[in-house]
Order: sequence, then C-alpha cells, then structure tokens
Amino acid sequence: DGGITQSPKYLFRKEGQNVTLSCEQNLNHDAMYWYRQDPGQGLRLIYYSQIVNDFQKGDIAEGYSVSREKKESFPLTVTSAQKNPTAFYLCASSIDLRMGTGELFFGEGSRLTVL
Amino acid sequence: AQSVTQPDIHITVSEGASLELRCNYSYGATPYLFWYVQSPGQGLQLLLKYFSGDTLVQGIKGFEAEFKRSQSSFNLRKPSVHWSDAAEYFCAVGGDGNKLVFGAGTILRVKS
Repeated sequence: DGGITQSPKYLFRKEGQNVTLSCEQNLNHDAMYWYRQDPGQGLRLIYYSQIVNDFQKGDIAEGYSVSREKKESFPLTVTSAQKNPTAFYLCASSIDLRMGTGELFFGEGSRLTVL
Repeated sequence: AQSVTQPDIHITVSEGASLELRCNYSYGATPYLFWYVQSPGQGLQLLLKYFSGDTLVQGIKGFEAEFKRSQSSFNLRKPSVHWSDAAEYFCAVGGDGNKLVFGAGTILRVKS
C-alpha cells in the first residue's frame, strides 16, 4: 500500500549526539515536510522540500538539518545544537497544497528522547 | 503569514451529545482550511478540507465544518459523538506557500 514510513518509532539519544530520523514515501509526492509536536503546542514546521535537491527552513529550523537527494526520501538530522530535542517528530508529504485536491499525508511519527 | 487559534485545549462531552470544536484563523486572502485527527502516539488523519465553493464541508466519520469568512472561523461539528471519537483534533490553514500552519490542538474526551 502507498504511504509514508518513518523509522525508528522510538529513539533514545545521549546529550551531544546527532541522530537521524528516516522518512520514506511511495506516494510519488513532490513535497515533503518535517513537523515537531510538543504537548499543547500543536505541530511546528521544521523544514520542507518542494522538489529534489531543494528545501526551505520552517519556523523552528535551528539545530536541525535535512537533505533531499531522492524524491522518496527526506531524512531529518537532529544535531547536538538543538537545545531541547525531546519531542514527537512527524513527517508528511503532499502534492501541491494550493491545488484543490492537496492535503498532507502523515507518517506514524518518531519519538525522540534525550537521556 | 497565516496563523490558527484553537481556543479550547480540552473538551469533554457525553457520548451521544453534539460536538463543536472551534477554530479561528488569520490570513489576508482566501485560506485553505483543514481539520485533522490524531490518536495517541499516531500520525494525523485528514477529516475534511475547504478550498473553495460550498462553505459547509462534509468529512469522514460524520464530521462537518463550516467556513465563515466574516468570523474568520472554521468550526468542526458532529451531531452525535461516539466513544471512538476521543482523540486530539487539529485545525490547519494554508495559502501562504506550499505548507500548512497548525493550531495547538483540542483534546476531546468522551464520557459514557
């Protein structure tokens, strides 16, 4: 079935370590997104990419990095510069949201805990 | 830039009662509006969306929402709530680029 796969589902990290969260989609969508979710704050956009080899910062990009080398893949690296990385991370993809049929499709999320 | 306000952090309703979740947005032009639902520890599922046309939008699971431009609102409604509707609900707005801005969410509790 078509969809978005995030891995790992749970991840523990020691302070000072970089970690990479995987996101793969087989929906043939051009656009991909990373959101961070914290209790009571909703979803905040970290990075998004509208096409291969191009990406834009969202509202809270500091301490994160991404790459988009393939249409299907949009990995997120949480670096040691991110001061408070413990959160639930959601990856999404879409066709152009400005079209009448556009919507975000979400993965199941990855929960990162810093020990 | 667009923004979304969901005034209610928690709402508790009795099973079988009606439900209305509030959503107010800020955007200078005609927005694209969405409601998503999330079960604990899961991703988000689209309930319904508004792009243009009829301001009353029907979605899945018996939900509907009405776009009111004069009030900058897009409230979600359901005539009779089921215990399985307990979840967190997010309103989102698009229009400024190919991205969505989400509200803080409303947690719905259903009591039997």
